[in-house]
Amino acid sequence: AQSVTQLGSHVSVSEGALVLLRCNYSSSVPPYLFWYVQYPNQGLQLLLKYTTGATLVKGINGFEAEFKKSETSFHLTKPSAHMSDAAEYFCAVSLFGNTGKLIFGQGTTLQVKP
Amino acid sequence: KAGVTQTPRYLIKTRGQQVTLSCSPISGHRSVSWYQQTPGQGLQFLFEYFSETQRNKGNFPGRFSGRQFSNSRSEMNVSTLELGDSALYLCASSLDTGKGEQYFGPGTRLTVT
Repeated sequence: AQSVTQLGSHVSVSEGALVLLRCNYSSSVPPYLFWYVQYPNQGLQLLLKYTTGATLVKGINGFEAEFKKSETSFHLTKPSAHMSDAAEYFCAVSLFGNTGKLIFGQGTTLQVKP
Repeated sequence: KAGVTQTPRYLIKTRGQQVTLSCSPISGHRSVSWYQQTPGQGLQFLFEYFSETQRNKGNFPGRFSGRQFSNSRSEMNVSTLELGDSALYLCASSLDTGKGEQYFGPGTRLTVT
């Protein structure tokens, strides 16, 4: 069975500081991995995805993530936080060939302090 | 292209009633998935429809059901509502059930009193 663990339900950074949101997954077969962001009272917006190929993937708004199979991790980073990055972030996994079903982590709320 | 739309956006129902939520996917998308989001349980997969067939089903009771029409629009129904069904219900669409990312709608906020 697949599962996703996001370490830290709340992360607080100063504006301009590095953002690091941690995600570890469990899957018996090679997974597809996603990061989504949710702003208050809105749906989820895709930040980036890993399917196959290059393990470092770049997404929107300056975010990137690296797939590390040996560590079963897919951590999300951004070099310099902006106030507008304050939101809830979700890591998700799906099986190859079955992306209609996403398994989500519990989410991490990112706070950005001025 | 227009995004995923969900109607209604907000809904208040009484315990024991039933409710139907609607989702219109992005034009050309044939896969529609539904998720329930609550503070306690987070985001949980309900079911997925592709070409009018249920392809995947989550671990929810039979009170939760859905369907998909020939134009890919989807509805989900919850019968005999319970207080615990209060949640944000999110619909997502994708081109193909086998690959590609899902695009989410804004959700329907259901409150059961």
